[in-house]
Amino acid sequence: DTEVTQTPKHLVMGMTNKKSLKCEQHMGHRAMYWYKQKAKKPPELMFVYSYEKLSINESVPSRFSPECPNSSLLNLHLHALQPEDSALYLCASSQGVRTQNSPLHFGNGTRLTVT
Amino acid sequence: RKEVEQDPGPFNVPEGATVAFNCTYSNSASQSFFWYRQDCRKEPKLLMSVYSSGNEDGRFTAQLNRASQYISLLIRDSKLSDSATYLCVVNPGTASKLTFGTGTRLQVTL
Repeated sequence: DTEVTQTPKHLVMGMTNKKSLKCEQHMGHRAMYWYKQKAKKPPELMFVYSYEKLSINESVPSRFSPECPNSSLLNLHLHALQPEDSALYLCASSQGVRTQNSPLHFGNGTRLTVT
Repeated sequence: RKEVEQDPGPFNVPEGATVAFNCTYSNSASQSFFWYRQDCRKEPKLLMSVYSSGNEDGRFTAQLNRASQYISLLIRDSKLSDSATYLCVVNPGTASKLTFGTGTRLQVTL
């Protein structure tokens, strides 16, 4: 069982919809991440939060808007997405961004389809 | 040269076989290394961290060769349930720069 939980597991949305992905971890980790993964490709980093502050935005389009309400929660707000945004969205956490030998723990992902 | 390179496979092996994967990395300052397992349409799951002295967890053995800049994963007595994609992950010093290999696909057959 994963210690990082994501909801929903599946999401189908139209290009004009607004939706949110949610992620929660209770491991006391101080770093949280959003990744996007396309089929047969490795995960691609989108955002990093460290101590609840956005520290990395990998030039992600503004139609993706992250939010970290507290140290356990991470949201990704979606608006006006394109069909090419369809992918598996993975949340992850780690002890800290600079903690040595601290692996990422992934949630089970949200499979997003944009129609 | 890619930052992290893996043979994409697939590696098709019979049950009970021993199989090994290598992963090379280009950044000599890389600090920590991991192997993840990813099943089709699922999230990556941490299989094991890789330590300088090498480490073993049951049928799985991981090795690090800093001089040649590669890590390896050895799976002994392969099971059908080992069929998955194995991702090599390298941390150059900050987790925000974690680099994933493209993964090696393993198929264990009867």
